Amino acid sequence: AQSVAQPEDQVNVAEGNPLTVKCTYSVSGNPYLFWYVQYPNRGLQFLLKYITGDNLVKGSYGFEAEFNKSQTSFHLKKPSALVSDSALYFCAVRGRGSASKIIFGSGTRLSIRP
Amino acid sequence: EPEVTQTPSHQVTQMGQEVILRCVPISNHLYFYWYRQILGQKVEFLVSFYNNEISEKSEIFDDQFSVERPDGSNFTLKIRSTKLEDSAMYFCASSTGRTNEKLFFGSGTQLSVL
Repeated sequence: AQSVAQPEDQVNVAEGNPLTVKCTYSVSGNPYLFWYVQYPNRGLQFLLKYITGDNLVKGSYGFEAEFNKSQTSFHLKKPSALVSDSALYFCAVRGRGSASKIIFGSGTRLSIRP
Repeated sequence: EPEVTQTPSHQVTQMGQEVILRCVPISNHLYFYWYRQILGQKVEFLVSFYNNEISEKSEIFDDQFSVERPDGSNFTLKIRSTKLEDSAMYFCASSTGRTNEKLFFGSGTQLSVL
């Protein structure tokens, strides 16, 4: 069975500092990995995905994520945080061979202070 | 960018009543999903739907739940006899169906069961 873990409920960062939101996964075979962001009273918006190839994936709004197969991790990063990055972030995984469900982690609330 | 639309945005119902949540997926998408989120926490998979039948469902999706694509555009989630614990934000999503493709989410229907 596939699963995703986001060990931090909340991450607090000062504006301008780098940020990391952690994610680890469990799936049979090679995974498809995703990050989504949710702003208040909104649906989930796609940020980026890892399919294959380069382990460093770049996405929307200056975010990037690094796939680490040996550590089964897919941490979300940004070199310089903005106050507007404050939101709820979800990591997600889909197993290859399954065109069906994407499983989401429990979410991490990112708070950027001015 | 094309959007998934959901109606209504808020639904209040009495315990034991039936509710139908409506969604219009993106027109050329082939896979459709329902997820729910309780109190802004984890996003839980309910069901996926393809080619007019359920592809996969979770343990949450019991006999009280059903999905239907009554015409070429709408995708509905019905809860036959609502319980207090069904109170949640329900998100519809759609995708092209290719396993490496992202899901597009609607803005959600907030269901409150009294």
